[in-house]
Amino acid sequence: GQQVMQIPQYQHVQEGEDFTTYCNSSTTLSNIQWYKQRPGGHPVFLIQLVKSGEVKKQKRLTFQFGEAKKNSSLHITATQTTDVGTYFCAASNDYKLSFGAGTTVTVRA
Amino acid sequence: DSGVTQTPKHLITATGQRVTLRCSPRSGDLSVYWYQQSLDQGLQFLIHYYNGEERAKGNILERFSAQQFPDLHSELNLSSLELGDSALYFCASSVVSSLHNEQFFGPGTRLTVL
Repeated sequence: GQQVMQIPQYQHVQEGEDFTTYCNSSTTLSNIQWYKQRPGGHPVFLIQLVKSGEVKKQKRLTFQFGEAKKNSSLHITATQTTDVGTYFCAASNDYKLSFGAGTTVTVRA
Repeated sequence: DSGVTQTPKHLITATGQRVTLRCSPRSGDLSVYWYQQSLDQGLQFLIHYYNGEERAKGNILERFSAQQFPDLHSELNLSSLELGDSALYFCASSVVSSLHNEQFFGPGTRLTVL
């Protein structure tokens, strides 16, 4: 089935700094979704990317889908303590979503 | 609150036992998905039901089974439990079967097998 690899697995960020997490696939993806899971919580949908080269922004979050539709990235600017959690990318294939292992973000105040 | 409910919130049982986890999707959602989240395996897709019919299976063990009832709620049955089955089990729902729709996750059931 579809497999997506996420890097880094952990990201320790100083408050106010920027960081990027990456999602890579060996095969072309039809779409990519991003979810955020706060500590002790459940995954919450953030966004879906469908088109090659697509870029979407949500306040301080910028999501990008690669031109070849094999990779995606999430860039967060001016990190805040509210950004703490695990960010998952997920690729759909045959009625199922395959989640990456996630990037767990901690923030130093 | 996503609108997806799961019961029970916590479940502690012994090896060899059988348990049933229950999920009620958001009002109007026809698709239900089950996931297992453990520390070393991440979020693993188990099974997808749409309007009562099985649509897709992931790496679901033969000891596990699920169904979706006419009122659209779903149950995940885990039998002959092993220590390694200890995990968080999430249910998610979406409006339709297409995976171009976002999934809404429930709060999860934490299963501990002793």
